[in-house]
Amino acid sequence: KAGVTQTPRYLIKTRGQQVTLSCSPISGHRSVSWYQQTPGQGLQFLFEYFSETQRNKGNFPGRFSGRQFSNSRSEMNVSTLELGDSALYLCASSVAGIGYTFGSGTRLTVV
Amino acid sequence: SQQGEEDPQALSIQEGENATMNCSYKTSINNLQWYRQNSGRGLVHLILIRSNEREKHSGRLRVTLDTSKKSSSLLITASRAADTASYFCATSIQGAQKLVFGQGTRLTINP
Repeated sequence: KAGVTQTPRYLIKTRGQQVTLSCSPISGHRSVSWYQQTPGQGLQFLFEYFSETQRNKGNFPGRFSGRQFSNSRSEMNVSTLELGDSALYLCASSVAGIGYTFGSGTRLTVV
Repeated sequence: SQQGEEDPQALSIQEGENATMNCSYKTSINNLQWYRQNSGRGLVHLILIRSNEREKHSGRLRVTLDTSKKSSSLLITASRAADTASYFCATSIQGAQKLVFGQGTRLTINP
């Protein structure tokens, strides 16, 4: 079966712009989580959605937001981009929060 | 902040040798998972051990969990060049719907 698909793979944006990243989970998986990975902070949890509801949110500013659609696909949005937002953004899907499958990630560079 | 700490941060061994990585965490957990990441790509789930388990095997992988010491170890036996990657432990806390990652161990297998 198809894995977790994240688009785009690479993205370059300018400070102050906004960006939307997309994640399509494995068919049948209703939980989608997002993580940010940077060299300095490592892997940090952003938020988790289940059946279109955000169940948990990490310690990130309000510029980071997300949503989940009825088909379980999820998007995350970052507004007013800062240089420090440059990172690998990873999406993970799971059936019920146990055993996560990660996508290949979107590498965002803010210049 | 990261809950887990991994030790060592980097490990370089010869092909065929065994590699051991350690992970410590701070709070009570539901389960602990190990992931592999190649060159900044997505995370690949290796093995999950529940809080009531002490040891688990999967192929050349052996994971132990000591909840009294809040620590886990991952042993890779008979290492291969293809095992070169970063390895992360991640803890799952009951009801939190998120993973908390350690900072990772960078493993290099020399031919």
